[in-house]
Amino acid sequence: KAGVTQTPRYLIKTRGQQVTLSCSPISGHRSVSWYQQTPGQGLQFLFEYFSETQRNKGNFPGRFSGRQFSNSRSEMNVSTLELGDSALYLCASSYWTAGDGYTFGSGTRLTVV
Amino acid sequence: QQQVKQSPQSLIVQKGGISIINCAYENTAFDYFPWYQQFPGKGPALLIAIRPDVSEKKEGRFTISFNKSAKQFSLHIMDSQPGDSATYFCAGISSGSARQLTFGSGTQLTVLP
Repeated sequence: KAGVTQTPRYLIKTRGQQVTLSCSPISGHRSVSWYQQTPGQGLQFLFEYFSETQRNKGNFPGRFSGRQFSNSRSEMNVSTLELGDSALYLCASSYWTAGDGYTFGSGTRLTVV
Repeated sequence: QQQVKQSPQSLIVQKGGISIINCAYENTAFDYFPWYQQFPGKGPALLIAIRPDVSEKKEGRFTISFNKSAKQFSLHIMDSQPGDSATYFCAGISSGSARQLTFGSGTQLTVLP
């Protein structure tokens, strides 16, 4: 059974640019959540999508956005990148919501220079 | 506001010893408390989880002890092995349909051979 796949694994962007990250959930999983992991702030919830609708959102600025497609694949977009956006971005999927069966991908390491 | 406080930040244990990581939570709406293990370059992986109506749960060498009145829970790793060296995160998930993980700050465990 394939796990959660995140692409790309590594990304280097320049301040002011925008970036799109992709997440393919485990087959059959309909909920996809995104988390940001930094040494200073730890793991923080960004947002959750379920059946193409944003169901929950964390405390991040509007520069962070996402969407989910009909096949449950999700993308996360960050516009006007700042140095502080450098982080490991993790995607997690589950059939219904966070809890049992919640599985994380290996993440996308974003570096903003 | 940090809703899950985790300690210690780092822990060094000899092979065969017991590793103990503690967490305290503030949000009484949490109804699910998972522990995650993260290796470098990987996403967090669910290790063991407990619900607040249970005081202890054991899976192999890993045990969660839960004290609902004190709003504290802990992870015990018995017979610690060098392969257990990783970062461990406790978390809480609040009840309701829109659920998200609120993570502790993490504990870097090193098991010496």
